[in-house]
Amino acid sequence: GQQVQQSPASLVLQEGENAELQCNFSTSLNSMQWFYQRPGGSLVSLFYNPSGTKHSGRLTSTTVIKERRSSLHISSSQTTDSGTYLCALDNVGDNSKLIWGLGTSLVVNP
Amino acid sequence: AQTIHQWPVAEIKAVGSPLSLGCTIKGKSSPNLYWYWQATGGTLQQLFYSITVGQVESVVQLNLSASRPKDDQFILSTEKLLLSHSGFYLCAWSLNNYAEQFFGPGTRLTVL
Repeated sequence: GQQVQQSPASLVLQEGENAELQCNFSTSLNSMQWFYQRPGGSLVSLFYNPSGTKHSGRLTSTTVIKERRSSLHISSSQTTDSGTYLCALDNVGDNSKLIWGLGTSLVVNP
Repeated sequence: AQTIHQWPVAEIKAVGSPLSLGCTIKGKSSPNLYWYWQATGGTLQQLFYSITVGQVESVVQLNLSASRPKDDQFILSTEKLLLSHSGFYLCAWSLNNYAEQFFGPGTRLTVL
């Protein structure tokens, strides 16, 4: 089965609302990387988070290895946050290969 | 600061024609390099990775080949394009194994 389960598949928010995106994993983790994929396709790295909590502006990433989950929290969402969010697991046993979630499609309405 | 450049930005090609996509990394010596492909509406698939000049490992071939002729250059190519090659091609780099990957702007390929 899918080694990285990303949820929700899609999410619609009103501007100003918060969002919580989740990735659950079933394999050994070296780190979880979170990306934002722009509508044109390019990828922006948001976090590289092996464990614990990291902050960047309105974004927070938390990885809890014991619970096999990593989350991305977006606070006070803006219309410009719309796009696809992807998590990718850096697997201990398979160097150089990321295991990708299927993505969360986020739409933030004004 | 490191920069990653991909060329061309977009390409429209005929089935059966050859293809060459390029990727260059500046500001980083001996990076790991990666090629990814994403079909329209699909998930990212890693195609190739390279740890050093002249060495390339295939992950998923898709009738494509890759080469690393220089430390800072990664080339994806095929002699005969298929319709199924259409999609978005991304190049990425990392410091080494088990490290954060940084992606280029991508090349959108349409095969007709």
